[in-house]
Amino acid sequence: DQQVKQNSPSLSVQEGRISILNCDYTNSMFDYFLWYKKYPAEGPTFLISISSIKDKNEDGRFTVFLNKSAKHLSLHIVPSQPGDSAVYFCAASARSGGYQKVTFGTGTKLQVIP
Amino acid sequence: EPEVTQTPSHQVTQMGQEVILRCVPISNHLYFYWYRQILGQKVEFLVSFYNNEISEKSEIFDDQFSVERPDGSNFTLKIRSTKLEDSAMYFCASSVLSRAETQYFGPGTRLLVL
Repeated sequence: DQQVKQNSPSLSVQEGRISILNCDYTNSMFDYFLWYKKYPAEGPTFLISISSIKDKNEDGRFTVFLNKSAKHLSLHIVPSQPGDSAVYFCAASARSGGYQKVTFGTGTKLQVIP
Repeated sequence: EPEVTQTPSHQVTQMGQEVILRCVPISNHLYFYWYRQILGQKVEFLVSFYNNEISEKSEIFDDQFSVERPDGSNFTLKIRSTKLEDSAMYFCASSVLSRAETQYFGPGTRLLVL
């Protein structure tokens, strides 16, 4: 069950340019969306999130956009830096009995080229 | 900065053997989770644990799996009789609240079942 989909397994971007990572979801019950960053040999690290009642959330170089009608969200990184090279997981959650269960996508490997 | 730790970092076992994966969550956290990631696939939720009991589990978390918080600091995942398809990276996470964005992940244990 691919409730959260990241159709691009990899992305290469030049340093200083914008990185755009995309994510689609199918479950209308999701009420919170998150992006995680993962370096090799480490666990996922929370990056940024957005509530389903918003369409944009910005944190420094990272902005997440949510289009509920299209069931699509994207992560923009501007400007991209070599240290941003990692695997980025899109995730979504729905409250279930008081706990927010997180459903992950398959990840997009971002390479920022110096 | 506090972090979630996991031991061992790598575990190789024979099919049918029992394995115990260990995690030390962040000390003031109340919610504990196990996720797994089969190579090349998405991170999958296994189980959440709160107030000394399982609060939610996925369909993956069958009778072969169990979790325990034996001593107030460790959080363990036991697989009673490992199968080849249990080979994966297993991530422990903990959070102070039930909100998804507050989850901190450990570095993972890579389990290989031969």
